[in-house]
Amino acid sequence: KQEVTQIPAALSVPEGENLVLNCSFTDSAIYNLQWFRQDPGKGLTSLLLIQSSQREQTSGRLNASLDKSSGRSTLYIAASQPGDSATYLCAFSGGGADGLTFGKGTHLIIQP
Amino acid sequence: EAGVAQSPRYKIIEKRQSVAFWCNPISGHATLYWYQQILGQGPKLLIQFQNNGVVDDSQLPKDRFSAERLKGVDSTLKIQPAKLEDSAVYLCASSLNSRGGYTFGSGTRLTVV
Repeated sequence: KQEVTQIPAALSVPEGENLVLNCSFTDSAIYNLQWFRQDPGKGLTSLLLIQSSQREQTSGRLNASLDKSSGRSTLYIAASQPGDSATYLCAFSGGGADGLTFGKGTHLIIQP
Repeated sequence: EAGVAQSPRYKIIEKRQSVAFWCNPISGHATLYWYQQILGQGPKLLIQFQNNGVVDDSQLPKDRFSAERLKGVDSTLKIQPAKLEDSAVYLCASSLNSRGGYTFGSGTRLTVV
């Protein structure tokens, strides 16, 4: 059974800092990895999708990497802004099932 | 393209009552999922449909939860009777295929009192 761990559980930093959010998983047989953002009381917004044949994806100030051999993914946020404050969730699909397995998320606060 | 639509946005019911949630996926997306997200946790898959057939319902509490996807488009998720521990956000998602990523709706926040 796939298990997903996200570290840290919470993070509060001043505006402008570069951040790294970590995600680890136990089963390397994955189809793809997806990072999501969730604002309070809202649904999930997809940020980046990395398919199993890829190693990283970039969108604006966000970069996500995938290392299947070590069972890790990282989300890098450059030049953080207060608008980046949200909960960030990583999720994997694979292991014979298409459904996503989520971590518990990292609650991020960017201080103005 | 239009996103995944869910209704209602909020629902408050008493325990032992029944409730139903509705989801309309992105047009053309064959796969539809229902997830349950308890406060402070990541979403947990309840059921997955491929067109109008069930692919995975291993984590659905079948004694009280049911779901259907008639005609392979809209879907409804029902809870009967509800328990206090069912209080959560119920999220619907759809995907074109397993490699194409997932799109989530805004969710329905259920409070059971």
